[in-house]
Amino acid sequence: SQELEQSPQSLIVQEGKNLTINCTSSKTLYGLYWYKQKYGEGLIFLMMLQKGGEEKSHEKITAKLDEKKQQSSLHITASQPSHAGIYLCGADPSTSSNTGKLIFGQGTTLQVKP
Amino acid sequence: DAMVIQNPRYQVTQFGKPVTLSCSQTLNHNVMYWYQQKSSQAPKLLFHYYDKDFNNEADTPDNFQSRRPNTSFCFLDIRSPGLGDAAMYLCATSRGAWRRPEDEQFFGPGTRLTVL
Repeated sequence: SQELEQSPQSLIVQEGKNLTINCTSSKTLYGLYWYKQKYGEGLIFLMMLQKGGEEKSHEKITAKLDEKKQQSSLHITASQPSHAGIYLCGADPSTSSNTGKLIFGQGTTLQVKP
Repeated sequence: DAMVIQNPRYQVTQFGKPVTLSCSQTLNHNVMYWYQQKSSQAPKLLFHYYDKDFNNEADTPDNFQSRRPNTSFCFLDIRSPGLGDAAMYLCATSRGAWRRPEDEQFFGPGTRLTVL
């Protein structure tokens, strides 16, 4: 079965600093989703990457997909306290058809110090 | 605002006492999902409905059941909760089940279940 490994598991940065979170899949990626979760709350969709080399941005957050490496990276520029939370990558594990199901990485906990 | 609502936000039950968690949506989405998230772990899909079609994950225990009486509502029933079932239960919806941004999953705030 497919697994998603995120690194680092946790991160503490000073406000204003840049940071990168990685998500590596054990199998071919057919689309990669990034979500953010605040402690004790639901997940908020950030963006979805579908094709190798694709890059998307939402405010100060940029995500890229490297299909060959079966990996995606999430980069935050000039971090702010509002960026704090748990970042989760997700992928549809089905190889044959669209199912809508998602498996998730274990999450990366980000703290931003003012 | 259109959203995914989960009730209650916190549920305490006794070992072996049946419990039902509720999810409702105003998005008119076709697909509804139930995930279990244990402390410091990734959400794990239990089952999902595409319209009225129920899809159970192979490793979801028989103790967990679900009902979707109409488009808006979906329920998670835990017939005999054990201590290992204590977790956050997340409901999500999506318009469709295709791998595209338009079919992103919208999550509710979750119900935190405690089993005594």
